[in-house]
Amino acid sequence: GQQLNQSPQSMFIQEGEDVSMNCTSSSIFNTWLWYKQDPGEGPVLLIALYKAGELTSNGRLTAQFGITRKDSFLNISASIPSDVGIYFCAGANTGTASKLTFGTGTRLQVTL
Amino acid sequence: EADIYQTPRYLVIGTGKKITLECSQTMGHDKMYWYQQDPGMELHLIHYSYGVNSTEKGDLSSESTVSRIRTEHFPLTLESARPSHTSQYLCASSEQHRETNQPQHFGDGTRLSIL
Repeated sequence: GQQLNQSPQSMFIQEGEDVSMNCTSSSIFNTWLWYKQDPGEGPVLLIALYKAGELTSNGRLTAQFGITRKDSFLNISASIPSDVGIYFCAGANTGTASKLTFGTGTRLQVTL
Repeated sequence: EADIYQTPRYLVIGTGKKITLECSQTMGHDKMYWYQQDPGMELHLIHYSYGVNSTEKGDLSSESTVSRIRTEHFPLTLESARPSHTSQYLCASSEQHRETNQPQHFGDGTRLSIL
């Protein structure tokens, strides 16, 4: 089946630093989504991407839909303590009941 | 803001018991989903539904079953719980759209522990 690999697996950064993470797939998707999950809660949608090459921002977050449609990137600028959590990418294709394939996750920890 | 509710939030129960995890959404979404997630790990789709009276198996094999009698309700049942069923179960829903994949909105999950 399809597999999404996220990199890095985990990262420690200092407050105020910028963060970059990516997600790569063995096959093409026509939708990419980025979610954040806090401990004990469900994933919360951050950004949705629908077109190859698309660059979308949500506050300090910016995500890009890779040109090859096999990857996506998420950047967080000027990180703050509440950015701590696990970030998941997810891909989907039209006609598959919007079934999502989730990535392996990037665990972000922010130090003061 | 998405309104999707799961109960119970936590359940610790003995082997062999029948369990039903509840999921309800108030957004009128046609599509609903159940995922299984071990702590800190990726989510795996175990069941989904296109709408009332529709249920499909997901990508990860599961001994659980689901039903969709009402649009807003998508319960998951384990007839005889085993320790291997210990995990977090997340419910999600999304709108139907002909051309694009609408994002899924998640509940806060049920953390299930089978003793």
